[in-house]
Amino acid sequence: EIVMTQSPVILGVSPGERVTLSCMASQSVGRNVAWYQHKRGQAPRLLIYGASIRADGVPARFSGSGSGTGFTLSISSLQSEDFAVYFCLQYDNWNTFGQGTTLDIK
Amino acid sequence: QVHLAESGGGVVQPGRSLRLSCVGSGFSFSSYGMHWVRQAPGKGLEWVANISYGGINVFYGESVKGRFSISRDDSSNILYLQMNSLIPEDTAMYFCAKEGYFANFAYLHSWGQGTLVTVSS
Repeated sequence: EIVMTQSPVILGVSPGERVTLSCMASQSVGRNVAWYQHKRGQAPRLLIYGASIRADGVPARFSGSGSGTGFTLSISSLQSEDFAVYFCLQYDNWNTFGQGTTLDIK
Repeated sequence: QVHLAESGGGVVQPGRSLRLSCVGSGFSFSSYGMHWVRQAPGKGLEWVANISYGGINVFYGESVKGRFSISRDDSSNILYLQMNSLIPEDTAMYFCAKEGYFANFAYLHSWGQGTLVTVSS
């Protein structure tokens, strides 16, 4: 099973800051990584697929990059609505998820 | 707009059964593969099962293989998860998800809000 390791687990940030979240795969997954935003009580929301392709309706401040085993999700200028849990998914070989990164207000 | 709505969760005793449903709308349900994913309290997400469009192929995670069964009713746009021989470790929020496709791979495109299953005596 491919293990996806996200870091950091929790990140305290202020609105307006730029943040970069990391997801590392235990073996190469090509560019078959997606990123999601999840708020309590809501459906997870697709942000990025194919490592770097923004899903429909996702603001341009969200961007993804990486290939092989290392991936990042960046948010260029945090808005209040961006405080949530973010998780990655590799779909190259079955489906496995990262443990998630919680963005908290500093 | 894609909408997925899960139902059927609740509190159930160990060893008993439960069937979850997921109604899809806003898309051509029969044309997409569908998945179940779960999240135990305080834990990360775990892929549970998926069924291809047309229902020909089904796959299960190791922890539920032989106990859970995924199926679909395309005439009613409903995805099911039949859960038998439930154990406390099955306690989780269960999400259904619709596939998206890119570069010959399927990813999880849209999700429901989930339904909570608690296995406890």
